[in-house]
Amino acid sequence: AQSVTQLDSQVPVFEEAPVELRCNYSSSVSVYLFWYVQYPNQGLQLLLKYLSGSTLVKGINGFEAEFNKSQTSFHLRKPSVHISDTAEYFCALMKTSYDKVIFGPGTSLSVIP
Amino acid sequence: EAGVTQFPSHSVIEKGQTVTLRCDPISGHDNLYWYRRVMGKEIKFLLHFVKESKQDESGMPNNRFLAERTGGTYSTLKVQPAELEDSGVYFCASSLHHSYEQYFGPGTRLTVT
Repeated sequence: AQSVTQLDSQVPVFEEAPVELRCNYSSSVSVYLFWYVQYPNQGLQLLLKYLSGSTLVKGINGFEAEFNKSQTSFHLRKPSVHISDTAEYFCALMKTSYDKVIFGPGTSLSVIP
Repeated sequence: EAGVTQFPSHSVIEKGQTVTLRCDPISGHDNLYWYRRVMGKEIKFLLHFVKESKQDESGMPNNRFLAERTGGTYSTLKVQPAELEDSGVYFCASSLHHSYEQYFGPGTRLTVT
């Protein structure tokens, strides 16, 4: 079975500071990895995805993530956060296309002015 | 292009009553998924339609939940009778055939009192 762990349930960070949201996964087969974001009172939006190729993937709003197979990690980073980045962030995986998404528990990012 | 829409946005019902949630996927999307997030827990998969057929319903919690997708367009999720533990946010998502990207609706917040 596959699972996703996000160790930090809440991350407060000052505006313009860098941030890293941690994600680890467990799977006996190759998987595809994703980060979704949910802004207040909105639905889930895909931030970025890793399917294959370069282990550093770039997403929307200046976010990037690095896939590390040996450490089974897919950490999300942004060099300088903005107030508008305040949201809940979900790491997720899929075994194949059109399969169900398996989500981590989420990390609530609060950007402090 | 309209995104995934869900109705109602919020529903409050008493234990034992029936509630029907509706999801309208993006036009042309064959895949339709239902997920649920119970407060404090992960977003969990409920079921997956391909057009009007149930592809995977392994996440449906019990037989009080009935999902349909008539004509391969919109879908309904009926809970009958509702129990307190059914409270949570129900998300619908849709995707193109063999696509990795699922587009999520804003969710329906169900409160059972």
